[in-house]
Amino acid sequence: DTGVSQDPRHKITKRGQNVTFRCDPISEHNRLYWYRQTLGQGPEFLTYFQNEAQLEKSRLLSDRFSAERPKGSFSTLEIQRTEQGDSAMYLCASSLSSGGGSYNEQFFGPGTRLTVL
Amino acid sequence: AQTVTQSQPEMSVQEAETVTLSCTYDTSESDYYLFWYKQPPSRQMILVIRQEAYKQQNATENRFSVNFQKAAKSFSLKISDSQLGDAAMYFCAYRSQGAQKLVFGQGTRLTINP
Repeated sequence: DTGVSQDPRHKITKRGQNVTFRCDPISEHNRLYWYRQTLGQGPEFLTYFQNEAQLEKSRLLSDRFSAERPKGSFSTLEIQRTEQGDSAMYLCASSLSSGGGSYNEQFFGPGTRLTVL
Repeated sequence: AQTVTQSQPEMSVQEAETVTLSCTYDTSESDYYLFWYKQPPSRQMILVIRQEAYKQQNATENRFSVNFQKAAKSFSLKISDSQLGDAAMYFCAYRSQGAQKLVFGQGTRLTINP
């Protein structure tokens, strides 16, 4: 399977703990995105990378959240001092930039479901 | 900021019938893209259909078609000959021409009755 993969698929943690999620994009894709989806809602954009550069961050990405894509391949999303409000599905997507403002489809991974007790 | 609204939290349709899902959006931009994504239960989101705002012709993909009304800022999805495998959450999404992030609506849960 050469799609976007995410690990773990499920994570249960206690409030105040740190958690880290991993996303492996489609191999030739240079753009990688993180979204958060709470129950019954649509995904909300968190941040995106082009290669290793983090080019945009949503104001939803508080100081407790940090994302990295050190070698322009996989990415990690860390949440420090988790809160119950962080409980959500964290989705990763990737796309291949074709330059300018042209369309490039975002392919989504299966998500990591986080439950904060 | 752009917003996307899906006013139908749930819809149901008989198998083989046609159903239309509604989506409206708010933007001051003239160039953008619109998408419908499908999210089956416990499975990843996949793109169903897309529409470039500069194209007047409505996009079609097999049994899926859109009704794009730019002036009204409306972008509905029509599913013809509904199949059991069409059951899913459907999300309408917007992307600005020069941006990368998708702005999603709240979603519509579609149930197919056999």
